[in-house]
Amino acid sequence: NAGVTQTPKFQVLKTGQSMTLQCAQDMNHEYMSWYRQDPGMGLRLIHYSVGAGITDQGEVPNGYNVSRSTTEDFPLRLLSAAPSQTSVYFCASKAGRAIGYEQYFGPGTRLTVT
Amino acid sequence: QQPVQSPQAVILREGEDAVINCSSSKALYSVHWYRQKHGEAPVFLMILLKGGEQKGHEKISASFNEKKQQSSLYLTASQLSYSGTYFCGTEDAGGTSYGKLTFGQGTILTVHP
Repeated sequence: NAGVTQTPKFQVLKTGQSMTLQCAQDMNHEYMSWYRQDPGMGLRLIHYSVGAGITDQGEVPNGYNVSRSTTEDFPLRLLSAAPSQTSVYFCASKAGRAIGYEQYFGPGTRLTVT
Repeated sequence: QQPVQSPQAVILREGEDAVINCSSSKALYSVHWYRQKHGEAPVFLMILLKGGEQKGHEKISASFNEKKQQSSLYLTASQLSYSGTYFCGTEDAGGTSYGKLTFGQGTILTVHP
């Protein structure tokens, strides 16, 4: 059981480039989400999904797209990278789509946009 | 709206106790607690549900005051391994929240020998 995996671990982009951060989980969890973490800002929700084919926005969705074609995968796409998107990105999954379930985080992707 | 944690930082010696508080302005269904060490992902510690159910860590305890929308994490007889940043995450009691977790800004705990 690998849990939640993310690739790549580190990435450097130039302003305007696009890329996809990968996230996968092997626990058959319905609920998956993406957070960004900036110093002193805690964890802020970007997008989340309650199941294959269902996604919704979190508190900071601008500049990011997501899709959920399978239960296992939840990629995050940066459309046109900006220096303000320099951050550490965490993917997470929960055992149920409803409230009251533990959430598990992936190891994170550290992204720098120059 | 983000829950508010206090204090922002705590410094302890091994064996001392600490309390970290988390407060929300919204009606809550649950409060989650996580610990994050530098350069690592947050690790689940505990979840407290409305109605009193509690799941999680054996050596760390917490409380959830549903009327005040407040939770406290109690770290007793601290060990060096307790050092890290502690986050609370809250789930709203609203029916359309779909289990979204909103996190506080974190409390940095440092334990010295």
